[in-house]
Order: sequence, then C-alpha cells, then structure tokens
Amino acid sequence: EPEVTQTPSHQVTQMGQEVILRCVPISNHLYFYWYRQILGQKVEFLVSFYNNEISEKSEIFDDQFSVERPDGSNFTLKIRSTKLEDSAMYFCASSEGQGDQPQHFGDGTRLSIL
Amino acid sequence: AQSVSQHNHHVILSEAASLELGCNYSYGGTVNLFWYVQYPGQHLQLLLKYFSGDPLVKGIKGFEAEFIKSKFSFNLRKPSVQWSDTAEYFCAVGIYGTSYGKLTFGQGTILTVHP
Repeated sequence: EPEVTQTPSHQVTQMGQEVILRCVPISNHLYFYWYRQILGQKVEFLVSFYNNEISEKSEIFDDQFSVERPDGSNFTLKIRSTKLEDSAMYFCASSEGQGDQPQHFGDGTRLSIL
Repeated sequence: AQSVSQHNHHVILSEAASLELGCNYSYGGTVNLFWYVQYPGQHLQLLLKYFSGDPLVKGIKGFEAEFIKSKFSFNLRKPSVQWSDTAEYFCAVGIYGTSYGKLTFGQGTILTVHP
C-alpha cells in the first residue's frame, strides 16, 4: 500500500536556525497537510495545500512558517527561525480529495529545538 | 471553532474484554468523522470513517463506531480486544464543505491490553 514518507525522522536544531521538514505524499494525491503534536498535547492542524497554494492555515502557522511543493513529489515545511516552543512531532498527510477523502499520514518528524 | 474531546486518557483492559472509547465534538453543522490508530512506533492509520448514511460504521480489525447526531458523539467499539490492539486512538472531525480538509483531533486515548 502506498505510504506518505517523511524525512528526517528526528531533527535537532539550535534555536534561531532554519529547519526544513520534508514529505513525499502519495503520488496520486492532490491535497497536502501539515499537523504537529507537542508532547502531551493534541494533534493540531497547521496548513493545507492544494493546487500549489495554501488552502487554509491555522493561527499557529505564522510568518515563520512556509510550505512549498518544489517539484512533483516533495512537500516541505520550513520554519525560518526556530523557537523552543516549535519542538514537537510534525506529521505530513495527503488525500485524494478534501473532506470526504481520508488523510494518509506519514510517520512524523520529531523536531527538537535546543 | 469546532472541538473534539475524548473521555478517557488511558484505558487498561484484559484480552477478550469489550471496548468503548468515547468521542464528542462541538459543531452544529455537517461533519465528517474519523477514528485513527497509532501503534507504537508507527504512523496514524485510518480505522474507520463516517461521512453520511448508516450511522453505524464498520472499520478494520473488528472495530465499529456509531454516530449519534443528537449527542454529537462518535464512540468507538470493539466486542473483544486483543493484545495487538494496544495503541493510541484518536478521534477526528472534519467540517463538511467549508473547510479544505482540516481535521480537528481529540487528545487521544491510550489503550493497553494485557494478555
């Protein structure tokens, strides 16, 4: 069964540094998402992306965050200047359609900010 | 804004016991409802989903869930759990039509099944 793959599985970064988290969605999927889960808290929606633009974003997704689909297969999340509170597990997901199509999740990238 | 709450943080059962995990959401309109499971060290996997029609939905591995609109609930059930069901279970809600697929998750319920 096709899977969403995320790299790296664990990223350790100094506060203030830029970090890029990478995702390869399922190949025929058109909708892409990032979520995050701070330790002990809920999985939170960050952003959805369709047709090469952001469809929706949460309040968490401020100017420090950006997403990109640089080629036909990758979907990246960039955090420009990381803060301690960005430490979390970041999940990428993709779906064939929106709403009534289930989202398929990757294994996640654990981001640790020092 | 919609919210989702799961009643139990940690449930401990013996094999063959019956399971019911509660999930309530707050939103007055039409919703899409999901249960995801995360086995240790693995990614979130879809257990089952409800979009419309029969409010009793069956998923993989013998799980089922019932949508009760009047109670804003979507509880997950399994008649007889196995040790391999040990995992974390997440209820999630999507707003039909107005949102581009954004899911709102509950806080998760850890299920531990003792052999």
